[in-house]
Amino acid sequence: SQKIEQNSEALNIQEGKTATLTCNYTNYSPAYLQWYRQDPGRGPVFLLLIRENEKEKRKERLKVTFDTTLKQSLFHITASQPADSATYLCALDMAGGGNKLTFGTGTQLKVEL
Amino acid sequence: NAGVMQNPRHLVRRRGQEARLRCSPMKGHSHVYWYRQLPEEGLKFMVYLQKENIIDESGMPKERFSAEFPKEGPSILRIQQVVRGDSAAYFCASSPPGGTTYEQYFGPGTRLTVT
Repeated sequence: SQKIEQNSEALNIQEGKTATLTCNYTNYSPAYLQWYRQDPGRGPVFLLLIRENEKEKRKERLKVTFDTTLKQSLFHITASQPADSATYLCALDMAGGGNKLTFGTGTQLKVEL
Repeated sequence: NAGVMQNPRHLVRRRGQEARLRCSPMKGHSHVYWYRQLPEEGLKFMVYLQKENIIDESGMPKERFSAEFPKEGPSILRIQQVVRGDSAAYFCASSPPGGTTYEQYFGPGTRLTVT
C-alpha cells in the first residue's frame, strides 16, 4: 500500500526565512498531491493541489513542486511569519477523483521572531 | 456561506455505549468523507458517501462502525459499543459534485473520549 513520509521532527525557522517541507511517497505516483494546513484543535485547511503533469504550483507565498521521478513533493513558504506556524499535511489522491485521500503524519512548523 | 459543520465538538462515552457523530456538508456539496485522527498519527480515511449511497468504505472497521448520508439531513457516523481505542478526533469533509477541483473542505472535528 502507499506510504507517505513527512519529516516527523518539528521545523523551527526564523521569521522572514523560507520554510521547506518534504513529502516522500512510495509505490506508484498519484494523480494529484495536495497540501493542507492544520492548527491545533481544528480541521485541515486546503492550501494547494498539484497534478502529476505539473512541476510547480504557486499561490502567494506558497510554492509546491512535484517530482514523480524522485517520488517527492516540496512545499515552500517564503518570507515566513509567526502566523504560518502550524502542522502541514501532505495528501495523495490515488484514484484521481479526489475521493480518497491518504495523508502523511504532517510536519510541525514553528516560525520564531 | 457556512463551512462544514460537525456536532458535537466533544463527546464523552463510557465503554459499551453508542456514539453518533453528525456532519453537515457545505452548501451545494454532495460528497462527504469521514476521517479518523489518532494521537500522534495522521488522518486515516474511513468512508466516502454521496447522498443515500456509500461509495467507498474501505477504511471502516468491519464491526461496530457504520455511516450514512440520507437524502435529507446530515451525515451520521455511528459507533456501537465503543471501546477505549475508539478515542480519537473524527473529521468530516465535503466536496462539490463533479467539477475539476478535488480539494476537500474539513469540519472542526468531533473529539470522542471513551472512558
